Amino acid sequence: AQSVSQHNHHVILSEAASLELGCNYSYGGTVNLFWYVQYPGQHLQLLLKYFSGDPLVKGIKGFEAEFIKSKFSFNLRKPSVQWSDTAEYFCAVNAGNNDMRFGAGTRLTVKP
Amino acid sequence: NAGVTQTPKFRILKIGQSMTLQCTQDMNHNYMYWYRQDPGMGLKLIYYSVGAGITDKGEVPNGYNVSRSTTEDFPLRLELAAPSQTSVYFCASKGTVQYFGAGTRLSVL
Repeated sequence: AQSVSQHNHHVILSEAASLELGCNYSYGGTVNLFWYVQYPGQHLQLLLKYFSGDPLVKGIKGFEAEFIKSKFSFNLRKPSVQWSDTAEYFCAVNAGNNDMRFGAGTRLTVKP
Repeated sequence: NAGVTQTPKFRILKIGQSMTLQCTQDMNHNYMYWYRQDPGMGLKLIYYSVGAGITDKGEVPNGYNVSRSTTEDFPLRLELAAPSQTSVYFCASKGTVQYFGAGTRLSVL
């Protein structure tokens, strides 16, 4: 079964700093890739997704992610974070079967 | 449009008690999922279903059971609650992407 690794457990940034969260997966075939965000006390919400085509995908709230097939990676980026981006971020992979696997999550704290 | 609705929001159980976590979706999705979320562990898939009458185990199915008698409903059953089942439980349904419910926070004491 596929697995998902998020290497950063907790990231602390100041407002206006740039963000990059790493995500690697282990599956050699075709994959669908997702980033979800969970604000404190809330459920998961979709930030962006990749199914096929342009490997640079743009999501909501200024987030983007780049799929690099050769590196099995799907890193999340934002040029300038805001205090309101404080949340937990989850990478997820669906490898064409029926389940979806999530990474352990990265907690982002943005200092005002 | 309610999306995915989970009940209850909070529950405290004693060891050995049983309960059912309810999940209903109104998007006519065939795929539905149950996850548990523990601090620092992300979401672990418990069970999933690809349609009414069809269910399958995920990563951590032990201690749980599910049924899928209708497209809308996908209840999760805990038969003999254990402290290790203290967690936050999320139900999701999937069309193109997954939509999550608000979660059920369960404590087993």
